[in-house]
Amino acid sequence: EAQVTQNPRYLITVTGKKLTVTCSQNMNHEYMSWYRQDPGLGLRQIYYSMNVEVTDKGDVPEGYKVSRKEKRNFPLILESPSPNQTSLYFCASSLYAAGAYEQYFGPGTRLTVT
Amino acid sequence: GQQVMQIPQYQHVQEGEDFTTYCNSSTTLSNIQWYKQRPGGHPVFLIQLVKSGEVKKQKRLTFQFGEAKKNSSLHITATQTTDVGTYFCGRDQTGANNLFFGTGTRLTVIP
Repeated sequence: EAQVTQNPRYLITVTGKKLTVTCSQNMNHEYMSWYRQDPGLGLRQIYYSMNVEVTDKGDVPEGYKVSRKEKRNFPLILESPSPNQTSLYFCASSLYAAGAYEQYFGPGTRLTVT
Repeated sequence: GQQVMQIPQYQHVQEGEDFTTYCNSSTTLSNIQWYKQRPGGHPVFLIQLVKSGEVKKQKRLTFQFGEAKKNSSLHITATQTTDVGTYFCGRDQTGANNLFFGTGTRLTVIP
């Protein structure tokens, strides 16, 4: 089944404790992204990747790192999480079709930083 | 700037009534995409519009892209309880997987 998987699905952590959220896709898509979703603010892109070893900042990259060492994986790293990073995070892989990047989202990771 | 404005933020309709959400931009869009997110779920791609004045239909859903490519709408005819969710529009930066989404319209359908 074509899908994007994220782990963990739920995470409660404390300020300053480094964490990684993994993302993997099996659709052989070149493009991948990370988003955060907050009430009233909608979906905001954190980082995106156009190819292996190619990553770029999205709308809200501060406090996050990503890496794209292989096509299928795109982990999100929070080196020193803070409470304002409490959010719902979505990974997405993208297909470029007919002039636009269609996003295929993972199930989401709900992160709470205390 | 890059954002797209989406209205209304919330909409409650009686089952069977129609529903429309609008997406507006101050700049010309290269394309517009629409997504649906069920409560507790993840956004799911519905459709993309690329051409000026384009109209596409998916059963009871009608998507339009304005002639000036600065606005778009999603219209649902005769809503059903399965239509409940939040509808997002999104645009990408030309030539890059750099997307900006509207804040979404949360639709509630009252049986």
